[in-house]
Amino acid sequence: DADVTQTPRNRITKTGKRIMLECSQTKGHDRMYWYRQDPGLGLRLIYYSFDVKDINKGEISDGYSVSRQAQAKFSLSLESAIPNQTALYFCATSGSGSGETQYFGPGTRLLVL
Amino acid sequence: SQQGEEDPQALSIQEGENATMNCSYKTSINNLQWYRQNSGRGLVHLILIRSNEREKHSGRLRVTLDTSKKSSSLLITASRAADTASYFCATPNSGGSNYKLTFGKGTLLTVNP
Repeated sequence: DADVTQTPRNRITKTGKRIMLECSQTKGHDRMYWYRQDPGLGLRLIYYSFDVKDINKGEISDGYSVSRQAQAKFSLSLESAIPNQTALYFCATSGSGSGETQYFGPGTRLLVL
Repeated sequence: SQQGEEDPQALSIQEGENATMNCSYKTSINNLQWYRQNSGRGLVHLILIRSNEREKHSGRLRVTLDTSKKSSSLLITASRAADTASYFCATPNSGGSNYKLTFGKGTLLTVNP
């Protein structure tokens, strides 16, 4: 969905490096989410934000931090990347107009060596 | 904790056949959603069914919900090669918020031409 964009789309980094994944949306939604997807494990929620001043941990937040710079932007940081953070990362949004439906970005494929 | 679980994990059919996927969940819900994911791409919302609905249709999709059995099924009729994707059910988090979803591990559907 072009309304939710993620950068970069692919990233290779080394153990111990700090990296940031960015998400932007033009849907005007107030709620934003970060998920990771691993083969055989489905999607797991890392962090979510219901508005700029409301940020919450998901089920697997250890090793990650987030920043909600504006309603439209939600960034995910890996402070010190480790190989088991190699995964596909998705940003998603939802809003009062969409109700419970979430709209996903195209994903960022991250490889930590 | 895993709320929704899809069954089967993988399904391979011929073009033109119907495909049925099932989802079981553990706690009471007020809605259930189905999403599709083409290989390596973001999830796309297909359909939402509320707890007071037993069946819902959208094009070639038919979703049923049986709250007494805590299960849902997704039927794709007259399948096409383009339906090849992973299909996920999603339920509101057991914490009660409709805006946080828990996804199952998915059913990988392959439609052979």
